Amino acid sequence: SQKIEQNSEALNIQEGKTATLTCNYTNYSPAYLQWYRQDPGRGPVFLLLIRENEKEKRKERLKVTFDTTLKQSLFHITASQPADSATYLCALEESGGSYIPTFGRGTSLIVHP
Amino acid sequence: GAVVSQHPSRVICKSGTSVKIECRSLDFQATTMFWYRQFPKQSLMLMATSNEGSKATYEQGVEKDKFLINHASLTLSTLTVTSAHPEDSSFYICSAGGGPYNSPLHFGNGTRLTVT
Repeated sequence: SQKIEQNSEALNIQEGKTATLTCNYTNYSPAYLQWYRQDPGRGPVFLLLIRENEKEKRKERLKVTFDTTLKQSLFHITASQPADSATYLCALEESGGSYIPTFGRGTSLIVHP
Repeated sequence: GAVVSQHPSRVICKSGTSVKIECRSLDFQATTMFWYRQFPKQSLMLMATSNEGSKATYEQGVEKDKFLINHASLTLSTLTVTSAHPEDSSFYICSAGGGPYNSPLHFGNGTRLTVT
């Protein structure tokens, strides 16, 4: 069966460090993968999209990598700040699919001052 | 950027009553909108795809007669939870965007429904 796996345990890090979140998938051939941020009681907010033929994408302090061999995406936040504390969701859409991405359950990031 | 407005943000209703949730695209037209349901610490579960001017497409296991979707204009989709029961209590979120050009989804801020 198809699965999108994100760590269910919260990631706790110290302010200023780099946070790295993982998204693994099985039985998908994704056309692209997206990362969203979700704050408690709010809807997700789009952060970055990376296509299957791209290895890495950057936006300010954010970096996403995509390894279709390992079937994994890594999401990095450098110089993390307490304001980065949120849940981060990955979502992927399959090649030849319906253009509607499927979401992982997200990983909670807590940045301590 | 694209803004999606969802209303109400919270609603409490009695069992057996119906609740309507509105989702508006404020600065763009959306021929398609999506309705999700999210339980605590769970992923977003797609309930249905709302298509302007035509019937919604429901995901497997979602009762179309219980979750009525209307998409009468290019900027408004509504979800009505009919004859609500406590097990319908959840966080409902709408979105617009996506499509074949890899456009991201723009989400509303969700509606916390509590059925007593």
